[in-house]
Amino acid sequence: ETGVTQSPTHLIKTRGQQVTLRCSSQSGHNTVSWYQQALGQGPQFIFQYYREEENGRGNFPPRFSGLQFPNYSSELNVNALELDDSALYLCASSWQGAEEAFFGQGTRLTVV
Amino acid sequence: QQQVKQSPQSLIVQKGGISIINCAYENTAFDYFPWYQQFPGKGPALLIAIRPDVSEKKEGRFTISFNKSAKQFSLHIMDSQPGDSATYFCAASTGNNNDMRFGAGTRLTVKP
Repeated sequence: ETGVTQSPTHLIKTRGQQVTLRCSSQSGHNTVSWYQQALGQGPQFIFQYYREEENGRGNFPPRFSGLQFPNYSSELNVNALELDDSALYLCASSWQGAEEAFFGQGTRLTVV
Repeated sequence: QQQVKQSPQSLIVQKGGISIINCAYENTAFDYFPWYQQFPGKGPALLIAIRPDVSEKKEGRFTISFNKSAKQFSLHIMDSQPGDSATYFCAASTGNNNDMRFGAGTRLTVKP
């Protein structure tokens, strides 16, 4: 186990709704990255948070947004859900500047 | 967004055999190349990683071979075991794990 915990583990939402996913980073880690993993694909980088600010963003629209809190935990918010948003959402924690990133078990989001 | 190409898509190996998974990258700025192992319903787990200043790294039964001039790297699993059956992802980043690019994954099945 990596010590990175995500909640909830599964979620079903209706198209057009909004969703918030949560991540608690491993103890001592100050950076959280979020990834989207579609079925049968590798994870794709959404964004990274360091010191409560966005520190890099992948090719995702603005309806994907995030927060990082003083305790380094993080939230991923997705507005106006689309069917294609159905995926496993992963967060990874690390030390800023370190190479190793440790993933949580993910949140399986299904949009119907 | 995919800058790392992984092959094969699936691989079946007999117990005790050698599993070989290959990856190729495009961006010469990448300087950190990890391999992740993912079991169904779990997040990716860091298996082994290499930097381009070495051509090979071995940890137990797992070896990464790295060819900087060809922009290719591979994972070798020696004495493959049924418990190694999982999906393996190669990845590449610029070393601070910001925007880590993943391959599409290889589903390995080790037959007893």
